[in-house]
Amino acid sequence: ETGVTQSPTHLIKTRGQQVTLRCSSQSGHNTVSWYQQALGQGPQFIFQYYREEENGRGNFPPRFSGIQFPNYSSELNVNALELDDSALYLCASSFMANSEAFFGQGSRLTVV
Amino acid sequence: EDQVTQSPEALRLQEGESSSLNCSYTVSGLRGLFWYRQDPGKGPEFLFTLYSAGEEKEKERLKATLTKKESFLHITAPKPEDSATYLCAVQAGLAGSQGNLIFGKGTKLSVKP
Repeated sequence: ETGVTQSPTHLIKTRGQQVTLRCSSQSGHNTVSWYQQALGQGPQFIFQYYREEENGRGNFPPRFSGIQFPNYSSELNVNALELDDSALYLCASSFMANSEAFFGQGSRLTVV
Repeated sequence: EDQVTQSPEALRLQEGESSSLNCSYTVSGLRGLFWYRQDPGKGPEFLFTLYSAGEEKEKERLKATLTKKESFLHITAPKPEDSATYLCAVQAGLAGSQGNLIFGKGTKLSVKP
């Protein structure tokens, strides 16, 4: 059984640029959630996808967008990057929308 | 507003010195309370889910308990490899609703040999 994998693990972007982060969900899981974790803070919910449909969104602006593919993998896209977007971005997959979530290793984004 | 507060922020223990971490919460309809372990620069690792007051779960040196207002993570005879940040999260809302987790800021545990 493969776990949740994310790519890239580290990346550096310039303010104003766009970034796409990728997530492969755990085998058998149809739900993917994305979280942003700033240094020293707990993860903050960005949005969730259940069977390719958005199933809830946290308090993040529209420049944060996502998609889930038929194989349940997912991408997080952030436009017009700001310095405050620097964080660890975590993807979590689960069997159902409100069951236990298992996290990937994260993508560390630095905006300069 | 749903909220999770963890205490202490940091805890330093000697190897073998047992202690407890606290997670207090206010939510509109608790569906589950989750404990995760997070090593520096890594994603959270799932430890336990608790669903109702009075429930307890154990895994090696860790034991999690739940009341109507808080949860405790008890660490018995910790070892240096238990050093990590422990995150508490709640899932709230009606059945079938989105399953987003609301996290606390975590407790950073250091265990010295």
